[in-house]
Amino acid sequence: DADVTQTPRNRITKTGKRIMLECSQTKGHDRMYWYRQDPGLGLRLIYYSFDVKDINKGEISDGYSVSRQAQAKFSLSLESAIPNQTALYFCATSDRGTGPDQPQHFGDGTRLSIL
Amino acid sequence: GENVEQHPSTLSVQEGDSAVIKCTYSDSASNYFPWYKQELGKRPQLIIDIRSNVGEKKDQRIAVTLNKTAKHFSLHITETQPEDSAVYFCAASRDTGRRALTFGSGTRLQVQP
Repeated sequence: DADVTQTPRNRITKTGKRIMLECSQTKGHDRMYWYRQDPGLGLRLIYYSFDVKDINKGEISDGYSVSRQAQAKFSLSLESAIPNQTALYFCATSDRGTGPDQPQHFGDGTRLSIL
Repeated sequence: GENVEQHPSTLSVQEGDSAVIKCTYSDSASNYFPWYKQELGKRPQLIIDIRSNVGEKKDQRIAVTLNKTAKHFSLHITETQPEDSAVYFCAASRDTGRRALTFGSGTRLQVQP
């Protein structure tokens, strides 16, 4: 789904560096999410945003921060990267909808390696 | 918060057989249950979802059943094909309290030709 674009697709960096992963969407969705994927652990929620002024911590927010610069842009930062943050990171979006939650649409992921 | 457990973690079937993946959830207020398929090196993609006001939903060879009393839901794939080989994730969420999806840990399905 090219409507959700993540940059970069791959990144190798060193411990202690500041890293920013970016996500942009053309779907016009209000809600955006950041997940990390580790083998055997599924997708774990880092942060989510229901609109530009509404940002919420997920289950594993420690060591991460986010910025919702506009409806279409949601970036994830690692202020001081550590090796156990090596993972595959996904951005996702969903429509506001009414009633129960709406399907999420994922980007292609960013593979991050911290040495 | 919500906790979603998914079983089995790996599943191998012969082509043409059926496959069943089961998930349990902890939050009785959850009312939306999607299933995602992730092929190797690709993004997760929604394949089917169900809301708590129905007990079963079908889409060609895949179906999902929901038992709200027992708090579990299952994905059924019939007449499996090699292209069904992937990792499947279940998830749950609710619309009150502005919660987001909680995912299961995934099931790696291998369909043997």
